[in-house]
Amino acid sequence: GENVEQHPSTLSVQEGDSAVIKCTYSDSASNYFPWYKQELGKGPQLIIDIRSNVGEKKDQRIAVTLNKTAKHFSLHITETQPEDSAVYFCAAQNNAGGTSYGKLTFGQGTILTVHP
Amino acid sequence: EAQVTQNPRYLITVTGKKLTVTCSQNMNHEYMSWYRQDPGLGLRQIYYSMNVEVTDKGDVPEGYKVSRKEKRNFPLILESPSPNQTSLYFCASSDGTVAEKLFFGSGTQLSVL
Repeated sequence: GENVEQHPSTLSVQEGDSAVIKCTYSDSASNYFPWYKQELGKGPQLIIDIRSNVGEKKDQRIAVTLNKTAKHFSLHITETQPEDSAVYFCAAQNNAGGTSYGKLTFGQGTILTVHP
Repeated sequence: EAQVTQNPRYLITVTGKKLTVTCSQNMNHEYMSWYRQDPGLGLRQIYYSMNVEVTDKGDVPEGYKVSRKEKRNFPLILESPSPNQTSLYFCASSDGTVAEKLFFGSGTQLSVL
């Protein structure tokens, strides 16, 4: 099955700096890659996602890049703010069919702390 | 308000005492799923359902049961809980039949003594 590795496990930055979180996946058939943000005491919330036919996607201060050949994708947060402090999870899914259809595999999570 | 509602929010029980964690969504979503969250392991999928009466095992289904008799409800059943099932559990739903753009509940913290 799919295996997703996420790094780093913790990341500390100063307000205004950029933050980058990286994930690698094992199943070359995976074609959907979302990122979720989990604030303390809450459930994860989708912040951005990308499909395998796209190399990069941006939404204001957040961007995701995908390298299918290397099987890795990254989350980039620019001009970080204290409210960006949270746990971030990457995930991968093959939603085109096969035995893993419908399964979403998450990375281990990254605790991001933005210091004012 | 669109939401996924889980109950209870906190639960302490003893080994072997059957329990059910309820999950309900009001968005008419086809897909529902259960995850457990453990430190250092991220979120791991327990079971998922792409439609009513259709359920499939995720990556860690052992010790759990689910049912999908109605579209809005997807309860998680622990027939004989054990301490290694102490965890934070999340229910999620999405439109369509795959796990895209998931809406998560607020979580259930379960402790099995």
